[in-house]
Amino acid sequence: AQTVTQSQPEMSVQEAETVTLSCTYDTSESDYYLFWYKQPPSRQMILVIRQEAYKQQNATENRFSVNFQKAAKSFSLKISDSQLGDAAMYFCAYAGGTSYGKLTFGQGTILTVHP
Amino acid sequence: DAMVIQNPRYQVTQFGKPVTLSCSQTLNHNVMYWYQQKSSQAPKLLFHYYDKDFNNEADTPDNFQSRRPNTSFCFLDIRSPGLGDAAMYLCATSIPGANVLTFGAGSRLTVL
Repeated sequence: AQTVTQSQPEMSVQEAETVTLSCTYDTSESDYYLFWYKQPPSRQMILVIRQEAYKQQNATENRFSVNFQKAAKSFSLKISDSQLGDAAMYFCAYAGGTSYGKLTFGQGTILTVHP
Repeated sequence: DAMVIQNPRYQVTQFGKPVTLSCSQTLNHNVMYWYQQKSSQAPKLLFHYYDKDFNNEADTPDNFQSRRPNTSFCFLDIRSPGLGDAAMYLCATSIPGANVLTFGAGSRLTVL
């Protein structure tokens, strides 16, 4: 079975600074996808960024980028120029290549952004 | 805007009293999911529908059932809620073959 581990229950960052959230996973599959989802308080979970395992290039979405280390099974999220609106619970998630949206989530990291 | 809407956002029920949570979507997505998210835990998939085909996760308790009368609506029925069923219930949708999910805002269930 696949597992996803987020070792940082809470993180904090100053506005405009950079923060990195860690995620490791375990799988025996060769085809899979990794995601970071953001869940603001009392609001819906939204996709931040997605990485296909077969792609060596790290995914980037504006201020959000990942460091995907396939051999180490590591998938960290870097948030640059942090904004107050980035404050949320962040979940790392895994989906096997044929699992069609059946996500395995990590425990989540609460990110606080200080003005 | 196309979206996934869950009702009610907050539900309080008594121990053993059946409850139904609803999810509607305007995205016309074929696949709908129900996830359970207990406090400070990772969301856990309960079941999903691919069109009308129902797929139950192996460890989903029998107490949980679901109905999908049409493409737009999906319901989560908890027949006899226990204290351990208190959680946020998340509905999500996707198109077939896609791993990107669109989530609703969730329904928070409290069991007294």
